[in-house]
Amino acid sequence: GDSVTQTEGLVTLTEGLPVMLNCTYQTAYSTFLFWYVQHLNEAPKLLLKSSTDNKRTEHQGFHATLHKSSSSFHLQKSSAQLSDSALYYCALRNNAGAKLTFGGGTRLTVRP
Amino acid sequence: EAGVTQSPRYAVLQEGQAVSFWCDPISGHDTLYWYQQPRDQGPQLLVYFRDEAVIDNSQLPSDRFSAVRPKGTNSTLKIQSAKQGDTATYLCASSRLGEYEQYFGPGTRLTVL
Repeated sequence: GDSVTQTEGLVTLTEGLPVMLNCTYQTAYSTFLFWYVQHLNEAPKLLLKSSTDNKRTEHQGFHATLHKSSSSFHLQKSSAQLSDSALYYCALRNNAGAKLTFGGGTRLTVRP
Repeated sequence: EAGVTQSPRYAVLQEGQAVSFWCDPISGHDTLYWYQQPRDQGPQLLVYFRDEAVIDNSQLPSDRFSAVRPKGTNSTLKIQSAKQGDTATYLCASSRLGEYEQYFGPGTRLTVL
């Protein structure tokens, strides 16, 4: 079956430093990859999505590039802000069905 | 456009009690999903519907969990005889046929004592 791996459970950064959250996946099908962000006591919200190999996708200062050769979709931002503190989930949807498979999540804390 | 709504927002039960969660998807979204999100873990799909039909309920513990969507709009997820291991947030999401994005509701946080 499909799987998504986020290697860092907790990331703590100082404001202004770059952000990189790792995501790798396994699937036997063509896929869509997503990053969802979940602030405290809120619903997960879509941050980025991609199905195109080697194409950078950007939203709200974050960017990610799907690399099918390495099965990766890492999330990056050049300069962390305090408001970026949240849970970040990488998720996969394959073309065989509608369900999302989520990674375990990375809790990002940005300190002043 | 109104988002996905869920109720109640919180529930606290003793083991063995029953509870129902209700979800109203975004108008026009034909696909509805229920996810279970244990604390500090990613959401895990329990069941999803297209209109009123169950498409995949393979991860739904069928002995105690049930889900319906009788008119293809609102949905109810029910837990009979809750266990402490059911403690989690239950998220409802919806999407439109042919679109990949799922929109999530705020969730119901369940605590089973």
